[in-house]
Amino acid sequence: DQQVKQNSPSLSVQEGRISILNCDYTNSMFDYFLWYKKYPAEGPTFLISISSIKDKNEDGRFTVFLNKSAKHLSLHIVPSQPGDSAVYFCAAILTSGTYKYIFGTGTRLKVLA
Amino acid sequence: KAGVTQTPRYLIKTRGQQVTLSCSPISGHRSVSWYQQTPGQGLQFLFEYFSETQRNKGNFPGRFSGRQFSNSRSEMNVSTLELGDSALYLCASSLQGALGQPQHFGDGTRLSIL
Repeated sequence: DQQVKQNSPSLSVQEGRISILNCDYTNSMFDYFLWYKKYPAEGPTFLISISSIKDKNEDGRFTVFLNKSAKHLSLHIVPSQPGDSAVYFCAAILTSGTYKYIFGTGTRLKVLA
Repeated sequence: KAGVTQTPRYLIKTRGQQVTLSCSPISGHRSVSWYQQTPGQGLQFLFEYFSETQRNKGNFPGRFSGRQFSNSRSEMNVSTLELGDSALYLCASSLQGALGQPQHFGDGTRLSIL
């Protein structure tokens, strides 16, 4: 049972436009959500996080939105740059009861110059 | 500042053997977490160590174990290797492993089981 899902395996966006990466989860008890970026042959790189008590967090070109009622998380990248081309993973953390740190399956973003 | 270092980068073993992977965190980081990445299951959390104690554990069998030393370096051991253990094993460190605190990943050890 995949508790954190990224339903789009890939996404192509024109340089300068907005990239929107989506993530859905099933457990309403998750405390924290994070986004990571991964280039081939490298480990993931942390991008941005959001607590479950917030609905938006912004850091430069990256903004994460959390819609708790829909159990939906999204990452907006504006403006998109060719260097943003990578695989993006969302992750959710649960600390109450059994600790869980669950990653989504990833979305490959390609930013076209 | 040196990043997270994992050794070795590549490893080939056969079924039934055991393996030990090493992770040196960023200097000053006390939390070290281990993850397994496979094409079928994606990234899965194995366990986290903080101050030489296992603090959190994922849903993996007891064949997967780890430890952390006083200098925060960590090792992960897998015994009685199975074909399904073939994966990229990633280590990540953070200052204290607090919620939402950025984790810094190494480039991983790719383990292949023949």
